[in-house]
Amino acid sequence: SAVISQKPSRDICQRGTSLTIQCQVDSQVTMMFWYRQQPGQSLTLIATANQGSEATYESGFVIDKFPISRPNLTFSTLTVSNMSPEDSSIYLCSGKTSGYEQYFGPGTRLTVT
Amino acid sequence: AQRVTQPEKLLSVFKGAPVELKCNYSYSGSPELFWYVQYSRQRLQLLLRHISRESIKGFTADLNKGETSFHLKKPFAQEEDSAMYYCALSTLQGAQKLVFGQGTRLTINP
Repeated sequence: SAVISQKPSRDICQRGTSLTIQCQVDSQVTMMFWYRQQPGQSLTLIATANQGSEATYESGFVIDKFPISRPNLTFSTLTVSNMSPEDSSIYLCSGKTSGYEQYFGPGTRLTVT
Repeated sequence: AQRVTQPEKLLSVFKGAPVELKCNYSYSGSPELFWYVQYSRQRLQLLLRHISRESIKGFTADLNKGETSFHLKKPFAQEEDSAMYYCALSTLQGAQKLVFGQGTRLTINP
């Protein structure tokens, strides 16, 4: 199994600024993912964080808006750039071991004013 | 493209009554189906997976490829089952990323 922590747990930011969310896993995982959960909506995959290389983004998400880093097997960051109120969401990190289960972090609740 | 549909956003049943949360999917390949649950103030966690064919907390789910469904069932609901339930699909190849349904909020009334 894997235990995932995220920082910060929540933040209120002004439009036009950027926020970097950190994700730490207590053990090595093969895959790490970032999801967004907009108010009242389900989880939508933003990107797969690849170790030591550029993330793989899903349709509708671009690197300039959501730059992602993954310098090693247990750590990743997601930056939400040039924020607008539409970016207000919960952002979740997940990790997948060699097995089938994905483990989720507690989420970061972002409010953009 | 993969898609998961949970037709009920809200479901309310009485304690002791049977529960069925519906999930339908579309995917041209061989999918792997999951049910994830999120209890109040807790993180999202795996409830069960179709390949395991196991019962967790009294819940079971059977993959019906003909009807492309993966409904979650429990014969006798308990109050602690109140939570948000998400059906999710993963491809067996590639990154095995998850595609989630919209979720069903289950409320068990005493």
